[in-house]
Order: sequence, then structure tokens, then C-alpha cells
Amino acid sequence: EAAVTQSPRNKVAVTGGKVTLSCNQTNNHNNMYWYRQDTGHGLRLIHYSYGAGSTEKGDIPDGYKASRPSQENFSLILELATPSQTSVYFCASGEQGGWDAEQFFGPGTRLTVL
Amino acid sequence: AQKVTQTQTSISVMEKTTVTMDCVYETQDSSYFLFWYKQTASGEIVFLIRQDSYKKENATVGHYSLNFQKPKSSIGLIITATQIEDSAVYFCAMREGRSNYQLIWGSGTKLIIKP
Repeated sequence: EAAVTQSPRNKVAVTGGKVTLSCNQTNNHNNMYWYRQDTGHGLRLIHYSYGAGSTEKGDIPDGYKASRPSQENFSLILELATPSQTSVYFCASGEQGGWDAEQFFGPGTRLTVL
Repeated sequence: AQKVTQTQTSISVMEKTTVTMDCVYETQDSSYFLFWYKQTASGEIVFLIRQDSYKKENATVGHYSLNFQKPKSSIGLIITATQIEDSAVYFCAMREGRSNYQLIWGSGTKLIIKP
């Protein structure tokens, strides 16, 4: 059974619209992450969280907000979507306290902003 | 500045052979971890293997092993007896001790296994 799930899996949005990407994990991990993946760039960190109520900016936070209302859920919010935010978005979870710990990824969300 | 570089964009090898994928990294820290992840054609990303910077022994998991050359800041991934299902994109990543658990990712190497 998948431990990190994302919804929706595919999304088409209009420029200027609001988009919310959701992530749920059953690993009971404190840390959660949002990445975007674009050809030639690998994975780039947008926001991350150390636990419920916390959000931190990653390497490319501009244009994105994050929300961590509970241990299990972590959302990525695009208040005013732009075509440059067309990408594949991955959520991941990881244990806190062990910096050798791997991250567990969701299946990804393909977002197209027209 | 921290950086992870994978210069091989794509590699193609015959099934059942051994392949090495390169990765070099830049860090000012003496303590760090290096990871390799695999992304399948379906988009699934899974962890494969890790290396502790303090350990001289190369990590091995199944038919994956690492060639850790610390003086060269290099961590190669070796896959032996390759199978068709090893076809995927492989990412190298680094976590420094002071990075708050963030990973720094390379751009990936696409591996194609030919029958």
C-alpha cells in the first residue's frame, strides 16, 4: 500500500487561477518536502516542513505557498498560477533526526498551466 | 557552494553487462551523506543506496554498489548484471550535516538497457 500519495495526479489550470496540490503520507514521518522536476534540472526543492504547523522555504519558493495542517498532510498552493509553473511536482517524506535517512516519494502530479 | 553534477546525460549498454554512472559533488563539510535514487519510466522515484562520507568501505546493496573516491569528490554507481528493468533515470544526491535534512540533487543520468 502506497505510503505517500498525491492528488490530483494530473491538473490543467488557467493562468491566474489558484491551484492546490495535496500530499498524504502514512509513514509517520515528521519531515515532508515538495519538489518540482523539469527536464535538465533534476529535482528542485520548493518548500519543506519539519512537522505539523511548520513550513520552510526551499531553493525555489517564489510563487508557491505551503501548508502542513497535520503530520500526514502537506499541501502546495499556487495562488496565481503562471505557465512557468507547468511541471511535475513530487511530494516526499523522511524521518527526522537521522540525516542518513532516505526520502520516500509520492507518484507525482503533472501540472499544466495554460 | 554545494553542488552535485552528473555529466552523463544518457548511457546505453547491453543487458547482463556492468555499467558505471558518474557523480561528482562539491561541499565544504567534512560530514555528508551521498544517495542514489532511481526514477522509472512511470515516474516512480525510489531510494537505492547511500554512502557515509566517513566510511571508506563502498556500500553495496544487491546488484548496486558504489565507487566512493573521497579525494576526487566522486561517487559512482555501479550496476552489475544489468536487466531490462534497470532502464531508468538515476539521480545522485547529497545531504550535508548542516543542511537541515535537505538533499542537493544532480540532474540525472538516463540508463538504457538493450536486450
